[in-house]
Amino acid sequence: DARVTQTPRHKVTEMGQEVTMRCQPILGHNTVFWYRQTMMQGLELLAYFRNRAPLDDSGMPKDRFSAEMPDATLATLKIQPSEPRDSAVYFCASGSTYEQYFGPGTRLTVT
Amino acid sequence: DQQVKQNSPSLSVQEGRISILNCDYTNSMFDYFLWYKKYPAEGPTFLISISSIKDKNEDGRFTVFLNKSAKHLSLHIVPSQPGDSAVYFCAALGGTSYGKLTFGQGTILTVHP
Repeated sequence: DARVTQTPRHKVTEMGQEVTMRCQPILGHNTVFWYRQTMMQGLELLAYFRNRAPLDDSGMPKDRFSAEMPDATLATLKIQPSEPRDSAVYFCASGSTYEQYFGPGTRLTVT
Repeated sequence: DQQVKQNSPSLSVQEGRISILNCDYTNSMFDYFLWYKKYPAEGPTFLISISSIKDKNEDGRFTVFLNKSAKHLSLHIVPSQPGDSAVYFCAALGGTSYGKLTFGQGTILTVHP
């Protein structure tokens, strides 16, 4: 039963701290997406990669967010420094444009 | 600039009745539309999709209707079941947003027994 995994599932941190979220895409999927869900904006695309290369990160605040794929089995999303407005659920998804499989999300709370 | 809008934050329906979830879009370049369903503490899961060359797609109890002239789509669930209670997201693809899904804000559906 292949699925996208994300760690941690929950993260509470103080403003100014670095946060790293990790995602393991489904084996064989060459496209990985990072989304953020908030009450006001719904699901927003932050960035996506194809064959480990970043294709679009226009949805990400560049000054504090960074996304990478060190290898085909790991995608990371970092926030440094974190701010209370970053509190949200962050989802990773893998698959194709037309068929995306989402992970369970990381619920981030920045106090 | 919300290109995909779900104007009803919530919908409550009796079990066995029809649930109709609505979605409007503004970008005429969108050519493929999807509905995702999300339970609490889980990621969204794909439900049903429709290409802009069609006006209807059916899969069991779920039917999606597309009205291109009105830039409107809807998801019908018949009959509704308590297990359908979830958040439903409408999403769109196409044009310069190739490769990127643009999501609506979601509608919380509650089906009462």
